[in-house]
Amino acid sequence: DQQVKQNSPSLSVQEGRISILNCDYTNSMFDYFLWYKKYPAEGPTFLISISSIKDKNEDGRFTVFLNKSAKHLSLHIVPSQPGDSAVYFCAASEGAGNMLTFGGGTRLMVKP
Amino acid sequence: NAGVTQTPKFQVLKTGQSMTLQCAQDMNHEYMSWYRQDPGMGLRLIHYSVGAGITDQGEVPNGYNVSRSTTEDFPLRLLSAAPSQTSVYFCASRLGNYGYTFGSGTRLTVV
Repeated sequence: DQQVKQNSPSLSVQEGRISILNCDYTNSMFDYFLWYKKYPAEGPTFLISISSIKDKNEDGRFTVFLNKSAKHLSLHIVPSQPGDSAVYFCAASEGAGNMLTFGGGTRLMVKP
Repeated sequence: NAGVTQTPKFQVLKTGQSMTLQCAQDMNHEYMSWYRQDPGMGLRLIHYSVGAGITDQGEVPNGYNVSRSTTEDFPLRLLSAAPSQTSVYFCASRLGNYGYTFGSGTRLTVV
């Protein structure tokens, strides 16, 4: 049973609008969460992370929100740009630096 | 600075053949790991190593073998390839609690 789930396999958004990517987890021991971005034929690259002691972390156009009671996190991209088109993976671990468990990924398409 | 280098980029194997996927990093990272990516399944951990001479199993280790004789290299061996091992394989490394650096992947097809 997948401990980290991304229930939307794909998302299409207009350039300039907000993209919201969602992720749910079941393991209550997870306390560190990350988002990775992956372009075709490349390895995933780290985007942003959040520790369970916070409920929000921002980095430029990217914001991650964590709702511990719902075991849910989301990544907001504002404004979305065509170059953001990629597959986004959320990942979780028990403690920063420990083994990561990944979700299945969401393919984001930002239309010009 | 090359980061994490994986070779080969593509490989086709016949069922029962063995091969080694190479991974090398030049960042002096302690932690290295191998993942496989399958559609809808995300990345699943095969094996990992916390330092030279130390390896451990991840979520899906069956059919794979690893060793870590140096800090830089972490090869993944397929002992007897099966069609179920058709996948994209990623090697990753990290230093301490910082985020992972991934290689560009090896696309393996077993026929």
